[in-house]
Amino acid sequence: KQEVTQIPAALSVPEGENLVLNCSFTDSAIYNLQWFRQDPGKGLTSLLLIQSSQREQTSGRLNASLDKSSGRSTLYIAASQPGDSATYLCAEQGAQKLVFGQGTRLTINP
Amino acid sequence: ETGVTQSPTHLIKTRGQQVTLRCSSQSGHNTVSWYQQALGQGPQFIFQYYREEENGRGNFPPRFSGLQFPNYSSELNVNALELDDSALYLCASSDDRGQETQYFGPGTRLLVL
Repeated sequence: KQEVTQIPAALSVPEGENLVLNCSFTDSAIYNLQWFRQDPGKGLTSLLLIQSSQREQTSGRLNASLDKSSGRSTLYIAASQPGDSATYLCAEQGAQKLVFGQGTRLTINP
Repeated sequence: ETGVTQSPTHLIKTRGQQVTLRCSSQSGHNTVSWYQQALGQGPQFIFQYYREEENGRGNFPPRFSGLQFPNYSSELNVNALELDDSALYLCASSDDRGQETQYFGPGTRLLVL
């Protein structure tokens, strides 16, 4: 059974800090691993997609890594800003569906 | 903006009623997937439609059904609503049966009383 776990469930840090969000998954035969952002009551915004053959992807202050052998992915956020406050979800892409973790609720304090 | 729209944005129903939620995919995308997100949880896969045929289903009962139309629109129908059906319902538009980036709509918030 595919399972995705995200730790921690919630994180609060002061503005300007660099931080790492963790994601672990059980299915080594994934097509890709995606990170999403979700603002309260809203839909999902895709942040980064890492293909199974890749090790990392970068977009601006965000960097995501993928280690299939250990079943882990990390999302690194540099120089955090209050506007980064949101829930971050990782999801593994299987044959048809995305399997999501429960998310990490991130709060950046000014 | 993902180019994926959903209607309505909010909906209140009573237990036992039926509901239809709508999604308009990005033009050219042949795949639509529906997800249910309960409060504080990650989205759960309901089913996927590829070129108007069901192409996979999650652990949801048959009272959850769907349709996909040639004009890139789709529907999620839920019969005999239960209190636990209260959730945010998300549709995701993609190409190639969802193996590439999936673009999510803003969701429909359903409350069952």
